[in-house]
Amino acid sequence: GAVVSQHPSWVICKSGTSVKIECRSLDFQATTMFWYRQFPKQSLMLMATSNEGSKATYEQGVEKDKFLINHASLTLSTLTVTSAHPEDSSFYICSAESGSSYEQYFGPGTRLTVT
Amino acid sequence: AQSVTQPDIHITVSEGASLELRCNYSYGATPYLFWYVQSPGQGLQLLLKYFSGDTLVQGIKGFEAEFKRSQSSFNLRKPSVHWSDAAEYFCAVGVPSGGYQKVTFGTGTKLQVIP
Repeated sequence: GAVVSQHPSWVICKSGTSVKIECRSLDFQATTMFWYRQFPKQSLMLMATSNEGSKATYEQGVEKDKFLINHASLTLSTLTVTSAHPEDSSFYICSAESGSSYEQYFGPGTRLTVT
Repeated sequence: AQSVTQPDIHITVSEGASLELRCNYSYGATPYLFWYVQSPGQGLQLLLKYFSGDTLVQGIKGFEAEFKRSQSSFNLRKPSVHWSDAAEYFCAVGVPSGGYQKVTFGTGTKLQVIP
């Protein structure tokens, strides 16, 4: 149980285009979802937290107009990287918390490469 | 604000040898504590967690960790390492934040296992 999926697993896009990444909780309802960014050989940095039906809370230094987060339902959150640039290339990982346990379940990650 | 320190960036052990990965945290109270493992290009898998109670926590894959309040530590141990344990290990601290748990990760320890 407690499986989180991400789609796509990897994506290559051209500079200036937008990319959408989906995060789904497959067998539980996620009251809260989280988006992390991981640079090569570095730790995970929390980008934002989202609750179903409400606006995301962004961490300091994260551009909310560039990284659009939509938590449309209790099983789906999306991260859209708008007007992507090469410096946005990274590994993006989502996680979901069910609310009944203080544990986050992580997705497998999405590798974004902007050329 | 909470923080997590993993002082060892890289550790090499021989297969069959014992392992201890260090983790120290900074937080005003007792936080939730986690150890995750990440294989290259993959998401995170939870090894074990500590919320309260017995300070020696058993996890999956033969791992255990001990919470020591006096030392603000949560070190991960395994009595006999297998080649498949080679991966990146992250210690994390979770603290309550507006109805959910905000998780802060350490910088990770990369484990190399040699024959």
